Amino acid sequence: GDSVTQMEGPVTLSEEAFLTINCTYTATGYPSLFWYVQYPGEGLQLLLKATKADDKGSNKGFEATYRKETTSFHLEKGSVQVSDSAVYFCALSDPGSGNTGKLIFGQGTTLQVKP
Amino acid sequence: DAGVTQSPTHLIKTRGQQVTLRCSPKSGHDTVSWYQQALGQGPQFIFQYYEEEERQRGNFPDRFSGHQFPNYSSELNVNALLLGDSALYLCASIRTRVNTEAFFGQGTRLTVV
Repeated sequence: GDSVTQMEGPVTLSEEAFLTINCTYTATGYPSLFWYVQYPGEGLQLLLKATKADDKGSNKGFEATYRKETTSFHLEKGSVQVSDSAVYFCALSDPGSGNTGKLIFGQGTTLQVKP
Repeated sequence: DAGVTQSPTHLIKTRGQQVTLRCSPKSGHDTVSWYQQALGQGPQFIFQYYEEEERQRGNFPDRFSGHQFPNYSSELNVNALLLGDSALYLCASIRTRVNTEAFFGQGTRLTVV
């Protein structure tokens, strides 16, 4: 079945360092891809999305490119801040579901940014 | 504009009991999905409701059931609680005809003792 695999964490960086969180997926159709962020004690917030191959999603300095040839959607940010410390989830929408309400998530990657 | 709201925020139940969690979708949204997030894991899809009917279901036992009301709000019911049901339960809503991205609530933290 469809699945999402993320790099294991935690990832610990110093402020202003470059961030990459790897995400690869397996899907039989053409899913949309998402990155969600979860701050401590909160629900999930959509960070960015891409709906077709070669699309680049971007938001708040984060970006990710939908790479169909490598089935990847890696999250990057050029300069992280302490406030970026959170858990990041890569997800895909089930192509067979017909909507984005059924998401398949990776296991999450914890990012800790130190001053 | 209120986003997705869930109640209660925290709940403690005893093994074998039953629990009901509630969700109000974002304004303008008509489809509600429920997820279970165990500690340190990604959310797992439980089921989805649209037009007051269960439309899709994940790999969860029949102890997990739900309901959607005419105002699009939804309930998640879990019977015969097990210790393993302890988790954060998340509700997400979308506007089906437009197929917006899913908006999530803050979740209900359920602890089974």
